[in-house]
Amino acid sequence: QKEVEQNSGPLSVPEGAIASLNCTYSDRVSQSFFWYRQYSGKSPELIMSIYSNGDKEDGRFTAQLNKASQYVSLLIRDSQPSDSATYLCAVNSGTYKYIFGTGTRLKVLA
Amino acid sequence: DVKVTQSSRYLVKRTGEKVFLECVQDMDHENMFWYRQDPGLGLRLIYFSYDVKMKEKGDIPEGYSVSREKKERFSLILESASTNQTSMYLCASTLGGAWTAEAFFGQGTRLTVV
Repeated sequence: QKEVEQNSGPLSVPEGAIASLNCTYSDRVSQSFFWYRQYSGKSPELIMSIYSNGDKEDGRFTAQLNKASQYVSLLIRDSQPSDSATYLCAVNSGTYKYIFGTGTRLKVLA
Repeated sequence: DVKVTQSSRYLVKRTGEKVFLECVQDMDHENMFWYRQDPGLGLRLIYFSYDVKMKEKGDIPEGYSVSREKKERFSLILESASTNQTSMYLCASTLGGAWTAEAFFGQGTRLTVV
């Protein structure tokens, strides 16, 4: 079983819709969770981090964490074509090591 | 503006060559990482370092070594390049001792071994 799992996609949504990206993780002691966006040919950049159960909102982005279900998600409201990218979920279990999922490719259709 | 800088954006090397990938960060971060990224496999950790001269193997260290002589610099060495090491290599750094810390990435080096 992979430590951090994401659906590879592509996830296609029309412009203006809500995009929902999901991630599950296997290590119950995981403490911190991150969403990175990676444009094609570029390096990952942080969008959101979340550490406690519930929702965390930043502009059009909302991260949701449910530690009991070992599940973290990213919602993108009013999706724009510029949001088209690969979204990487990363998990840290309180060590130096970050575990990345393989990413979900999002396509926002104009 | 915080920065992680990798020495080359694109690199083409021949099989058997010794290859050096350099990474420099200006954020005074304790932790530095080398990942490779391949389609369908995501980011895989090769090596990381939590202090000068300290290093730990990641998930796929075979065929690689690292050097960290100064806090700001972390080098990845391919002792004898092989075609299966053709990949995108990403360097990252984080603040030490903080499990909430964001990882900052360099721009990546696309290495092709022919």
